[in-house]
Amino acid sequence: GENVEQHPSTLSVQEGDSAVIKCTYSDSASNYFPWYKQELGKGPQLIIDIRSNVGEKKDQRIAVTLNKTAKHFSLHITETQPEDSAVYFCAASNYNDYKLSFGAGTTVTVRA
Amino acid sequence: DTAVSQTPKYLVTQMGNDKSIKCEQNLGHDTMYWYKQDSKKFLKIMFSYNNKELIINETVPNRFSPKSPDKAHLNLHINSLELGDSAVYFCASSLRLAGGMETQYFGPGTRLLVL
Repeated sequence: GENVEQHPSTLSVQEGDSAVIKCTYSDSASNYFPWYKQELGKGPQLIIDIRSNVGEKKDQRIAVTLNKTAKHFSLHITETQPEDSAVYFCAASNYNDYKLSFGAGTTVTVRA
Repeated sequence: DTAVSQTPKYLVTQMGNDKSIKCEQNLGHDTMYWYKQDSKKFLKIMFSYNNKELIINETVPNRFSPKSPDKAHLNLHINSLELGDSAVYFCASSLRLAGGMETQYFGPGTRLLVL
């Protein structure tokens, strides 16, 4: 089955700086890569996703890049704000798997 | 309007008891899921249902029994609770099964503590 590794496990950044979280996956058949944000006491929420026919996708301050050859994808958050503090999960899926395989999560803390 | 709701939000119980967690979605989705999040925040899928049909059963002990009376509801019954069952349980839904490639909408979670 799919195995997703996520690094770092914790990340502390100064407000206004950028944050980068990296994930690798094992199954070359995976072709869907979402990122979920989990705020304290809440359920995860999709913030951005990318599919294998796209190398990069941006939505305001967040962007995701995908390198299918190397089997890794990354989340970039620019101009971080205190409300970006949360746990971020990467995940991977392929059409035949019927499920998302999640990374272990990255706890991001934005220092004011 | 709450899209995916779970009850109860907190559940504290003794080892050996039986308990149920209820989940409802008002999004008109076909697919629903149960996840377990452990103390290290790791999210692991337990079950998925599509139109009331079981699709995924991820080697979960048979003390856990999901039930989907209709496609808007997916309940989780746990028999003979053990200390290791303590976790946050999340219900989620997606429009279709689509190989896990659809956006999943998570409920607020049920925090289960087994004493």
